[in-house]
Amino acid sequence: ETGVTQSPTHLIKTRGQQVTLRCSSQSGHNTVSWYQQALGQGPQFIFQYYREEENGRGNFPPRFSGLQFPNYSSELNVNALELDDSALYLCASSLGRTNTEAFFGQGTRLTVV
Amino acid sequence: KNQVEQSPQSLIILEGKNCTLQCNYTVSPFSNLRWYKQDTGRGPVSLTIMTFSENTKSNGRYTATLDADTKQSSLHITASQLSDSASYICVVYGGGFKTIFGAGTRLFVKA
Repeated sequence: ETGVTQSPTHLIKTRGQQVTLRCSSQSGHNTVSWYQQALGQGPQFIFQYYREEENGRGNFPPRFSGLQFPNYSSELNVNALELDDSALYLCASSLGRTNTEAFFGQGTRLTVV
Repeated sequence: KNQVEQSPQSLIILEGKNCTLQCNYTVSPFSNLRWYKQDTGRGPVSLTIMTFSENTKSNGRYTATLDADTKQSSLHITASQLSDSASYICVVYGGGFKTIFGAGTRLFVKA
């Protein structure tokens, strides 16, 4: 167990809907990163939050947005869902912004139909 | 372009045998390289972390090597077990938040 928890574990949404995924970081960690992992692929970096501010972003459109709360938990929001958004969404927490060891949650499996 | 390439894409071995997974990277600057094990539908779990100055690091039956000159790393698994069946992902951390994941090697260990 890494101490990073994600909810829900599985989710089915319809194309065009909006979804919110949640992540509770490991105690003491102030940085949360989100990744999208398509089936059979490695994780792709979406964005990172450090102390409640977006610290960096990968190549994802603006309909992917996020929040980090004062307790360092985080949300990933995806608007106008597309079929290609179906993937495993991983959250990783770490201490500090750069290159410190990240601990992953178990992921949320999102299916868009 | 920052890339991490892993080979083979998939591998089938018999229980008790050894295997070696490869990782080549072009990420620059380089901070460290990590190997993760990911069970199906689960989050990755760290196996080893290697910095620029480290050549070899072991974690039980897992041994990772790093050649920073040729930008290659390998993960050797000794005396494989059925529970080793998983995806093994090589991740290179560069400057700032730069984190480049390989696509992974899917390992199947058969009885």
